[in-house]
Amino acid sequence: ILNVEQSPQSLHVQEGDSTNFTCSFPSSNFYALHWYRWETAKSPEALFVMTLNGDEKKKGRISATLNTKEGYSYLYIKGSQPEDSATYLCALNTGFQKLVFGTGTRLLVSP
Amino acid sequence: ETGVTQSPTHLIKTRGQQVTLRCSSQSGHNTVSWYQQALGQGPQFIFQYYREEENGRGNFPPRFSGLQFPNYSSELNVNALELDDSALYLCASSRSAGDNEQFFGPGTRLTVL
Repeated sequence: ILNVEQSPQSLHVQEGDSTNFTCSFPSSNFYALHWYRWETAKSPEALFVMTLNGDEKKKGRISATLNTKEGYSYLYIKGSQPEDSATYLCALNTGFQKLVFGTGTRLLVSP
Repeated sequence: ETGVTQSPTHLIKTRGQQVTLRCSSQSGHNTVSWYQQALGQGPQFIFQYYREEENGRGNFPPRFSGLQFPNYSSELNVNALELDDSALYLCASSRSAGDNEQFFGPGTRLTVL
């Protein structure tokens, strides 16, 4: 069974702080790694789809890197804002769109 | 928003009953996947439908079944409900079975008493 781990489980930062989370996995046998942002009572929103070792993606203040050889992906948020408060999920696409999710990192950004 | 809708938003059932959850895919999407998120867990893959046929299944018993209709909307049916079936059920649609990007609905919260 593929086990996707995310750390930390939760994080509380002040507005303006930069932060990062980790998604780790034991195997490079997957098609893509996905990052999702999930606000309470809303739909999970796709942030990035990463497929290649060394991939780096950026969207505004949020960026992500992927290292398949060592089995991790980092998500960075520069200058956190209260609207960044959400749960951030990573998931591995193991084929046929089957996503194996981690348990998420819950971020709270205080003004 | 993702354009994927689910109904109902919340549902309360008792043990042994049957439930049907519904998902309306984003326009132009022919693939839908269903996930169960139990408390404190990440979403877990239940199954996927592609062009009205089941196209992959996770580790869930046969009492979890699904349908996909010609308009690509979908249903998840759960028979003989158990207390552990209490969870948030998410559906996600994509343009095709080989497309990496999935668009999620907001989920249906099922409580089994």
